Amino acid sequence: GQNIDQPTEMTATEGAIVQINCTYQTSGFNGLFWYQQHAGEAPTFLSYNVLDGLEEKGRFSSFLSRSKGYSYLLLKELQMKDSASYLCAFFTAGSYQLTFGKGTKLSVIP
Amino acid sequence: DTEVTQTPKHLVMGMTNKKSLKCEQHMGHRAMYWYKQKAKKPPELMFVYSYEKLSINESVPSRFSPECPNSSLLNLHLHALQPEDSALYLCASSQAGGLSGNTIYFGEGSWLTVV
Repeated sequence: GQNIDQPTEMTATEGAIVQINCTYQTSGFNGLFWYQQHAGEAPTFLSYNVLDGLEEKGRFSSFLSRSKGYSYLLLKELQMKDSASYLCAFFTAGSYQLTFGKGTKLSVIP
Repeated sequence: DTEVTQTPKHLVMGMTNKKSLKCEQHMGHRAMYWYKQKAKKPPELMFVYSYEKLSINESVPSRFSPECPNSSLLNLHLHALQPEDSALYLCASSQAGGLSGNTIYFGEGSWLTVV
């Protein structure tokens, strides 16, 4: 079967670093996405990992380990505007189906 | 330009009304999607069009009827909806589905309220 799991909520301090973990199970994996979604808005694309390792994009980095079915999103130098839900999602090989996790609601506090 | 445009942004309709949601992209993407998202839940896939043909219908009730007039446009026709259909409806597109590097880009969504 297919399953994807991430923490429901996290809180971190402005200026700090936070890591949001995502674990998944699927019979055919074809890449993992991270999206950011502010309340009342649509998801916006943050990153895509298809190979193992770390992808860095400014303050945001995403890591993937396919053998462990594990990914994380690392946010550095947190800003108040980073308060949002972060969704991980994977593509099943040969499918149009993007399976989303339930999302992690990150609250950044002063 | 990674823009998917949806109209209207907000729609309030009665249970006997017929209305449509519209989506447009000019990125040359050949896969287009409709997702439904309820509050505090992840998006749920409704329909996928690939090369203007319906590829996936995730057991969506017939009161939702998708249409893909051309490769840039995707409509969702609504008829006889129920209050529980109130949600954020997200259109998305990608170069193609299920292939490496085919990022899905979402529109801003249409907030639908059924009264």
